[in-house]
Amino acid sequence: GAGVSQSPSNKVTEKGKDVELRCDPISGHTALYWYRQSLGQGLEFLIYFQGNSAPDKSGLPSDRFSAERTGGSVSTLTIQRTQQEDSAVYLCASSLESSAKAQYFGPGTRLLVL
Amino acid sequence: AQSVSQHNHHVILSEAASLELGCNYSYGGTVNLFWYVQYPGQHLQLLLKYFSGDPLVKGIKGFEAEFIKSKFSFNLRKPSVQWSDTAEYFCAVIQTGANNLFFGTGTRLTVIP
Repeated sequence: GAGVSQSPSNKVTEKGKDVELRCDPISGHTALYWYRQSLGQGLEFLIYFQGNSAPDKSGLPSDRFSAERTGGSVSTLTIQRTQQEDSAVYLCASSLESSAKAQYFGPGTRLLVL
Repeated sequence: AQSVSQHNHHVILSEAASLELGCNYSYGGTVNLFWYVQYPGQHLQLLLKYFSGDPLVKGIKGFEAEFIKSKFSFNLRKPSVQWSDTAEYFCAVIQTGANNLFFGTGTRLTVIP
């Protein structure tokens, strides 16, 4: 079946603008995750959604970052008032049921803030 | 602090050489362990995983990894690498009951034909 899809694949924006990144998980996967991959920083967890439970937002770096998951499927990650340090690849992953299951990653959105 | 360490940043091997990439973690309690691979220009793909049972797990493309609990290690091995194994390899750990994977910084493998 189809894997995790993300859009856009690349996004260039100016400092101070808001951006929205989209993730469409694998059909049937109830758990969805956002990670950030920065040069020299590795992969960092941002947020986790599981079904209708309250999301785990413990990895969000600041209140400029927020995410929604509508209808238990598609998710959007929003970064407000972008800063240059937000430049990174934003990865979405999904898994069956609980977080203990293997996570399958999308191709990512490469964000460049000028 | 919780961490995942991959000590080799860049490994260069000739085809048919044997491979071992180190991964150590520093968590107490029960963990699930993963190796992911990222081929040039492609996204992260799951190579293999360990949840419980036999500590020697086999993954795709001839890779295997051994979980040694006493050493907090989960090293990745392949007896004979191919040029197509050139990629970046990431070790990842999740504590049972936690929500997020912790990743190592990755090891870049270059296989010379």
